[in-house]
Amino acid sequence: EAQVTQNPRYLITVTGKKLTVTCSQNMNHEYMSWYRQDPGLGLRQIYYSMNVEVTDKGDVPEGYKVSRKEKRNFPLILESPSPNQTSLYFCASSFDREAYGYTFGSGTRLTVV
Amino acid sequence: AQSVTQLGSHVSVSEGALVLLRCNYSSSVPPYLFWYVQYPNQGLQLLLKYTSAATLVKGINGFEAEFKKSETSFHLTKPSAHMSDAAEYFCAVSADILTGGGNKLTFGTGTQLKVEL
Repeated sequence: EAQVTQNPRYLITVTGKKLTVTCSQNMNHEYMSWYRQDPGLGLRQIYYSMNVEVTDKGDVPEGYKVSRKEKRNFPLILESPSPNQTSLYFCASSFDREAYGYTFGSGTRLTVV
Repeated sequence: AQSVTQLGSHVSVSEGALVLLRCNYSSSVPPYLFWYVQYPNQGLQLLLKYTSAATLVKGINGFEAEFKKSETSFHLTKPSAHMSDAAEYFCAVSADILTGGGNKLTFGTGTQLKVEL
C-alpha cells in the first residue's frame, strides 16, 4: 500500500531532551515536507526537501533540523525541544513538485513539558 | 505570493442538508487548488483538486468544488450531509513553477464541519 509512515504517533518528552520523529514513504516521491498543525493556524511548513541531500527552510524552521540521506526517509529532529513546539506534526510527500499536492502521514502528536 | 481564505472556522449543518464550505484564493498566476479532509486523529486526505482542466471537480464521498476565476473562489459542496462527513476541511492553493508560480503549497486555516441529527 502506498503510504507515508510516521513514528511515533504520540510522544511526551521533557524540555531539552533531543528527539527524532521518523518519516518514510514507499512511493519513490521526490518531494518531502514537514508541517506542524496548531489550532487556528492551519498547517505551517517547517522544512522541505526536493531530493536526496537537498533541503530548505519552510515558514517556521526555528528549533528544527532535517536530513535527507535516502530518498524514502526524511526525519525531523528537535535538538532541544521547548514547550512551544508542542504540536501535531505531519510528514508529507509528493511525486514531482510540491505544487501538485501532497500525500500525508497520520501525524505525530508531540507534547513537550 | 499566494494565499487562501476559508470563511467560517466552524460550520454546522443538519444531516441531509447541503454542505457549503467557502474558499477564496489569491494567486498572480494560474493556480492549482485542493481540498483536503482531516478526520479525528488522522492525517490529511485529498478530497479533490483542480489543475486547470474542468472547472467543476468531483471528488470522493460525493463532494465537488467549482473553480470560479472571476470570483477567485473554490467552494466545496455536497448535496446531502452525512454524519460521517464531520471533520475538518482544508483548502490549499499552489502554482506550478512552469507557469510562473513558486511551487509552494499554501493551506487555509481550516473549517470544522459539524453534522447534527
